[in-house]
Parts: sequence; structure tokens; C-alpha cells
Amino acid sequence: EAQVTQNPRYLITVTGKKLTVTCSQNMNHEYMSWYRQDPGLGLRQIYYSMNVEVTDKGDVPEGYKVSRKEKRNFPLILESPSPNQTSLYFCASSYRTGFDEQFFGPGTRLTVL
Amino acid sequence: KQEVTQIPAALSVPEGENLVLNCSFTDSAIYNLQWFRQDPGKGLTSLLLIQSSQREQTSGRLNASLDKSSGRSTLYIAASQPGDSATYLCALLMDSSYKLIFGSGTRLLVRP
Repeated sequence: EAQVTQNPRYLITVTGKKLTVTCSQNMNHEYMSWYRQDPGLGLRQIYYSMNVEVTDKGDVPEGYKVSRKEKRNFPLILESPSPNQTSLYFCASSYRTGFDEQFFGPGTRLTVL
Repeated sequence: KQEVTQIPAALSVPEGENLVLNCSFTDSAIYNLQWFRQDPGKGLTSLLLIQSSQREQTSGRLNASLDKSSGRSTLYIAASQPGDSATYLCALLMDSSYKLIFGSGTRLLVRP
């Protein structure tokens, strides 16, 4: 089944404790991206990647890192999480660089205490 | 800076009604526009994708139109059903970058 998977789905952590949210797609998509969704602010893009080893900042990249070493994986890294990073995070992918239909993962709900 | 507005923010209709959801944007230099559906606590599901050179797309009871010159897109849902209840989001891919910019969504409730 074609899909985008994220792990973990739920995470509660404490300020400053490094964490990684994984994202994987099995559709051989070139484009992958991360979003956060907050009440009243909607969905905002954090980082995106147009292909392996090619990443760029979205609208809210501060406090996040990403890497794209393999085509299928695009992990989101929070080196030192803070409470303002409490949010619902989505990973998405599309076949070509943003031009095609975007497929979204199920989301990761992160709480930073 | 691109601003995307969706009106209304919430909508409640009886089953069977035809309805229109609106998405407006300030910068017409877009590559494409996509409509999504989001169910509570879940991810987004793509409904329709309209390239900037297209005027509309149809899928089943859904029809999306795009008027770049006026900065508007509409999502038409025919013969609404309770299963259509969800939040509907529009998103634009900007011509000058590969960033996707979302509207704040319209929360739809279809009453049986």
C-alpha cells in the first residue's frame, strides 16, 4: 500500500531532550516536507527536500533540523525542544518537486513540557 | 507575501444541499492549487489538484475551479452527505519557490 508513515504518533518529552521524528514513504517520491499545525495558525511548512541531499527552509525552520540521506526517509530533528514546539506535525511527499499531488502522513502529536 | 483566506471558517448544512467553499489568495504567481480534506485527529487527504493553466477539476461530487486573475478558487460539493463532514483546506504552491502555503480551512458539518 502506497503510504507515508511517521513515528512516533504521540510523544511527550521535556525541554532540551533531543528527539527525532521519522518519516518514510514507499512511493519513490522526490519531494518531501514537514509541516506543523497549530490552532489559529493553520499548517506551516518547516523544511522541504527536493531530492536526496537537497533540503531548504520553509516558513518556520527555527529550532528544527532535517536530513535527506535516502530518497524514502526524511527525519525531523529537534536538537533542544522547547514548549513552543508543542504541536501536531505532518510529513508529506509528492512524486515531483511539489508539482504533484501531496500525500500526507497520519501526524505526530508532540508535547514538550 | 502570499496570504490565503478561506471563507467561511465554519459551515453547517442539512444533508443533500449543494455547497461552495471559497479560497482567496493575494499573489497570483502560483504554480498550482490543491484542495485537501482533514478529519479530526487525522492527516490530510488530497481531493483535487489544479495546475495554474487549468480552470477546473472534477472528481465525483466535487468540482474545484481556479481563477488566477481574481485570486480565487472554489470547491463545489454536490448533494452533501454526513460523511463529507470534515475540515477543508486549500494550499498553493508558489511559482517562485517550492513552498506550499495553506489557508486556515473551512470546518464543514453536514447534518443528517
